[in-house]
Amino acid sequence: GENVEQHPSTLSVQEGDSAVIKCTYSDSASNYFPWYKQELGKGPQLIIDIRSNVGEKKDQRIAVTLNKTAKHFSLHITETQPEDSAVYFCAASIVWVGGGSNYKLTFGKGTLLTVNP
Amino acid sequence: DTGVSQNPRHKITKRGQNVTFRCDPISEHNRLYWYRQTLGQGPEFLTYFQNEAQLEKSRLLSDRFSAERPKGSFSTLEIQRTEQGDSAMYLCASSLDRDSRAEAFFGQGTRLTVV
Repeated sequence: GENVEQHPSTLSVQEGDSAVIKCTYSDSASNYFPWYKQELGKGPQLIIDIRSNVGEKKDQRIAVTLNKTAKHFSLHITETQPEDSAVYFCAASIVWVGGGSNYKLTFGKGTLLTVNP
Repeated sequence: DTGVSQNPRHKITKRGQNVTFRCDPISEHNRLYWYRQTLGQGPEFLTYFQNEAQLEKSRLLSDRFSAERPKGSFSTLEIQRTEQGDSAMYLCASSLDRDSRAEAFFGQGTRLTVV
């Protein structure tokens, strides 16, 4: 089955700096890669996702890049703010065009991001 | 609130007791998932429903676990004869199977503590 590795496990940055979290996956069939933000005591919140037919996607201060050949993808947060402090999870899934797959997610172990004011 | 709703938010039970959790997905979402999350780990897939049909179960789901989604709307997850190792956050997620949409939205979770 799929295996997702995530690094680093903790990341501390100063407010305004950039943060980068990296993930690798093992199953070359995986083609959907979401990122979730989880705050203490809450469920994971989808913040951005990317499919394997694109190499990069950006949404305001958040961007995700994907390298299918190397089977790794990364989350980039620019101009970090204290409210960005949370645990971030990457995940991988197989999505079949036209439906039929179960879309179950395999998650990394998470990165605790701390943004210091 | 139109998000995924889970109840209860917290449950403390004695070892050996049965517990049941409920998940109300986003209306019109036909896919429903249960995940388990232990401290310091990412969520792990337990089971998946497409409408009322349970289509896949993880080997993590022992015989003491049972999930239902009787009318294709809300779902319940029951754990019988709870063990201390069952202590975890149980997360429910839902998604819409249309136009190859893949986005899954999670509830706040039910934190189970077995004492």
